[in-house]
Amino acid sequence: ILNVEQSPQSLHVQEGDSTNFTCSFPSSNFYALHWYRWETAKSPEALFVMTLNGDEKKKGRISATLNTKEGYSYLYIKGSQPEDSATYLCAFLYNFNKFYFGSGTKLNVKP
Amino acid sequence: DADVTQTPRNRITKTGKRIMLECSQTKGHDRMYWYRQDPGLGLQLIYYSFDVKDINKGEISDGYSVSRQAQAKFSLSLESAIPNQTALYFCATSEGTGGSHTGELFFGEGSRLTVL
Repeated sequence: ILNVEQSPQSLHVQEGDSTNFTCSFPSSNFYALHWYRWETAKSPEALFVMTLNGDEKKKGRISATLNTKEGYSYLYIKGSQPEDSATYLCAFLYNFNKFYFGSGTKLNVKP
Repeated sequence: DADVTQTPRNRITKTGKRIMLECSQTKGHDRMYWYRQDPGLGLQLIYYSFDVKDINKGEISDGYSVSRQAQAKFSLSLESAIPNQTALYFCATSEGTGGSHTGELFFGEGSRLTVL
């Protein structure tokens, strides 16, 4: 079993704050790194699929970067809103066919 | 209607009972997965299937079995449920990787199982 770590485990911020979380993964046999957003009582949904070292992806106020050589990815949320409250999961795709998930960062944005 | 549908959504059962969780999808994907989620842990892979004739064990397959009845259907069975199988179970599908395919997973809404 490969180790994929996310930090912090949980985060409480005020509306308008910017925040970021980290996903660490093995730097060998890298194929892709996915970020998923999981709202309570819903299904996880993909935010970003990142495959190249140095990749930067952006969707609205949310962006992500990838460093495959050192084995980490950052997810940034600019100007957090209450609707951003969710658990953010990263998943490391190993050997083209198996995903290893981190335990997630649970974000709570207070109005 | 959801593209990936799981039934039942919630189930309470007793130790020793046989339980089946069903998953069906309308996305036309070949790849289907069963994951388990426990509080504080990441999604753990139980079984995965890349087509009807291809079934593979994941990291935590002990105590579980699966059946791929058709491209669109993938069922997870607990032959004799035990309390530490109490968890949230997710089915997911994927087009796979290669070419323009990103491997993105599409999840069902989850089946919460409680074993007393």
